[in-house]
Amino acid sequence: RKEVEQDPGPFNVPEGATVAFNCTYSNSASQSFFWYRQDCRKEPKLLMSVYSSGNEDGRFTAQLNRASQYISLLIRDSKLSDSATYLCVVGAWDGGFKTIFGAGTRLFVKA
Amino acid sequence: DGGITQSPKYLFRKEGQNVTLSCEQNLNHDAMYWYRQDPGQGLRLIYYSQIVNDFQKGDIAEGYSVSREKKESFPLTVTSAQKNPTAFYLCASGTDSNQPQHFGDGTRLSIL
Repeated sequence: RKEVEQDPGPFNVPEGATVAFNCTYSNSASQSFFWYRQDCRKEPKLLMSVYSSGNEDGRFTAQLNRASQYISLLIRDSKLSDSATYLCVVGAWDGGFKTIFGAGTRLFVKA
Repeated sequence: DGGITQSPKYLFRKEGQNVTLSCEQNLNHDAMYWYRQDPGQGLRLIYYSQIVNDFQKGDIAEGYSVSREKKESFPLTVTSAQKNPTAFYLCASGTDSNQPQHFGDGTRLSIL
């Protein structure tokens, strides 16, 4: 089992749709959680950190479920500019601190 | 303007040649990282450094070497021992291991 797993997609949605991505992690001692966005042939950019109580940033909502070991990202009112790959990132102590990047979920928003 | 600068943007390597990728940050971050990304794949950790003059191997360190003589700089050398070096190389930095990492805009390395 991979340490961080994401559905690779692609998710194809129309503009204005709501779309949700899930990410599962295997290490129950994981401490930090993030969502990054990566555009084609570009570097990943931090979208948002994920806090235990859940957090929102405009159209984006992130949630953490420690019991089931997954985090989610909800995008409301999708825009064409949201088309990108979304990377789930988990940090944990494992004989030293490790940051594990998921392989990403591809999103296409169409007009 | 604070950030991470990687150079060059594109690099070509001849067989048997060592090449060095530059990574400089002015964010005053202690931790720096090198990742490799192959097409359609996730990031894989090559080396990381949590403090000056110290660095650790990541998951795919074979064929690579690094140094961390200054806080701001973490160059990566791709040696001739790395038989499949064609990839997108990303450098990142962070305040510590538990905080989000900030990335440079990457170097694309290809074989001639």
